[in-house]
Amino acid sequence: AQSVAQPEDQVNVAEGNPLTVKCTYSVSGNPYLFWYVQYPNRGLQFLLKYITGDNLVKGSYGFEAEFNKSQTSFHLKKPSALVSDSALYFCAVRGSQGNLIFGKGTKLSVKP
Amino acid sequence: DAGVTQSPTHLIKTRGQQVTLRCSPKSGHDTVSWYQQALGQGPQFIFQYYEEEERQRGNFPDRFSGHQFPNYSSELNVNALLLGDSALYLCASSILTSGRRDTQYFGPGTRLTVL
Repeated sequence: AQSVAQPEDQVNVAEGNPLTVKCTYSVSGNPYLFWYVQYPNRGLQFLLKYITGDNLVKGSYGFEAEFNKSQTSFHLKKPSALVSDSALYFCAVRGSQGNLIFGKGTKLSVKP
Repeated sequence: DAGVTQSPTHLIKTRGQQVTLRCSPKSGHDTVSWYQQALGQGPQFIFQYYEEEERQRGNFPDRFSGHQFPNYSSELNVNALLLGDSALYLCASSILTSGRRDTQYFGPGTRLTVL
């Protein structure tokens, strides 16, 4: 069965520092991986996806993610964090039904 | 270009009642998926509609049902509400012909509280 794991409940970063939010996946076959962000009392906003090709995927708001097949990971990164990046981040994998299977989320807190 | 819209924003019901939530997909999208997000959890897939039919279903009881209209908009119905149905209900739209490569775009959600 497909699944994703986000090992950190919360990540704390100082503004201007690089940030990484971790995600590992378990799928049979080729993975289709996604990152979404959720601000308080809001829906999910799409950031980026990996389908095939280059292992470094660039997305919205300066975010990027690195796909690593050998480590079954898809970590979200940003070179310089902003206070406004503080939110809940979800990693997801495409399921066999066409649905998205989400991790439990990682709360990112960026302090000035 | 309007994104995915959902109504109402908030809803309060009592146990045993029935509720209907509504979703309008992003322009050009033909597929609607519904998710339930309990507090502190990631969204869980309820079902997906395409061509006015339920195509896929997650692990939710029959109390959860839906409908898709010819204009691609969709409704989620929940009967005999339980306290545990309290959650944020998210609608996502996509284009089925894109296959597994498609991106699902989410609406702002409907917050359902069951008392």
